[in-house]
Amino acid sequence: DVKVTQSSRYLVKRTGEKVFLECVQDMDHENMFWYRQDPGLGLRLIYFSYDVKMKEKGDIPEGYSVSREKKERFSLILESASTNQTSMYLCASSLGGTGVHEQYFGPGTRLTVT
Amino acid sequence: AQSVTQPDIHITVSEGASLELRCNYSYGATPYLFWYVQSPGQGLQLLLKYFSGDTLVQGIKGFEAEFKRSQSSFNLRKPSVHWSDAAEYFCAVGPERYNFNKFYFGSGTKLNVKP
Repeated sequence: DVKVTQSSRYLVKRTGEKVFLECVQDMDHENMFWYRQDPGLGLRLIYFSYDVKMKEKGDIPEGYSVSREKKERFSLILESASTNQTSMYLCASSLGGTGVHEQYFGPGTRLTVT
Repeated sequence: AQSVTQPDIHITVSEGASLELRCNYSYGATPYLFWYVQSPGQGLQLLLKYFSGDTLVQGIKGFEAEFKRSQSSFNLRKPSVHWSDAAEYFCAVGPERYNFNKFYFGSGTKLNVKP
C-alpha cells in the first residue's frame, strides 16, 4: 500500500513564525503535491513537484514556498505565518510521466496561526 | 476553464437507504474523473475513477459512479448506505490541458447517516 505521512496532525503557530510542514511517501512516486483545504472551497493546489528540486506553482502559491531535496520528501514552508493561513494542509503523491495517475493523500496537518 | 461543481453541500440519508451524490464538471476534452472520500480527521481515499471504457464504474465499499458525457456528470451512488459511510465526498476532474499532474476538486459533499 502507498503510504503518505505528514509530520504533524495538529500544529499551532504564532503570526510571523516560519513554519515547516513535512511530507514523506514510500512508493517512489515522482510527483508530490501540497493542497490547502478550507470549508466550502474544496482542495486548492499550492505547489507541486514532478522531480527532485523541481517545482511548479499551483493556484494559490502566495505566502508559501516548497523544497524537495529527496524524492520521497516534500516540504511546505510558510515564510511568515499569518492568520489567514490557518487551514488543513494535505500532501499527496502520484506516479509521474505523461499519463494521468491517481493521487494518494496523507492524513493532513491542521495548522492554526494565532 | 475546467471546473467541478458539487451542488449539495450537506446530505442526510437514513441507514439502509440509497444514496446519490452529484458531480458536474466543465472540461474541454474527455475527462479523467475521480471520487474520493474523507473520513473525519483523515486524508482523502480514492473510491473510484473513470478513465475510459464502460461508463459505469465500480469502486470500493460498494460505491459506483456513472459517467454521462451528455450531462457532464459523474454521480456517485450506493444502493444501501451504512453508518460508516458518513464522511465528506469529493469529486475531481483532470488533467489540466497542459499539465497532467493538475486535477480540479469540487468543494465537497458532507454525508450524514441517520440510524
